[in-house]
Amino acid sequence: DAGITQSPRYKITETGRQVTLMCHQTWSHSYMFWYRQDLGHGLRLIYYSAAADITDKGEVPDGYVVSRSKTENFPLTLESATRSQTSVYFCASSPWETQYFGPGTRLLVL
Amino acid sequence: GEDVEQSLFLSVREGDSSVINCTYTDSSSTYLYWYKQEPGAGLQLLTYIFSNMDMKQDQRLTVLLNKKDKHLSLRIADTQTGDSAIYFCAVFNQAGTALIFGKGTTLSVSS
Repeated sequence: DAGITQSPRYKITETGRQVTLMCHQTWSHSYMFWYRQDLGHGLRLIYYSAAADITDKGEVPDGYVVSRSKTENFPLTLESATRSQTSVYFCASSPWETQYFGPGTRLLVL
Repeated sequence: GEDVEQSLFLSVREGDSSVINCTYTDSSSTYLYWYKQEPGAGLQLLTYIFSNMDMKQDQRLTVLLNKKDKHLSLRIADTQTGDSAIYFCAVFNQAGTALIFGKGTTLSVSS
């Protein structure tokens, strides 16, 4: 199906572990984004990518790593998870300005 | 820095109109956006307005833009219980690289 998907939808991990959240879009949109959503903070941009092999930091990039070797995929890695990274993570893609969001990944770090 | 402000809660009765307000500090957006988030779901693009427009109507939704006051509003006519959700206002940052979201307005519709 066309659209944007995220996996896993739910993840429980422990402090210090590495976790990778996947994002895949079928539209061939140039831009892709990762946000986290926390109560009281709304959505905050973690990283974004303007095209394959081009990424840049957003508002809250610390503790996260991204890569974009293919246009359709934009994985987000937490290299050493911390409790403060417990959140709901949303991936989005955009052909230019309007962004389309995935269903989200709920991550709990114990 | 750039900021987008929204009131956090709005409670209305079914059949009434709802008005959700948003103010922003600066924007280079060609478009300004309203997104809807239902419980446990992602953000769904609800509507948007071109920055050169004052008003856009889309069925029960009316978007008003006052660029002078940097004020954006979303009016939902004949509000239904299915409209209960969180509504986010979003504009592009001055660099034009990413959307800035308000914290969201939780709309509660009672029957």
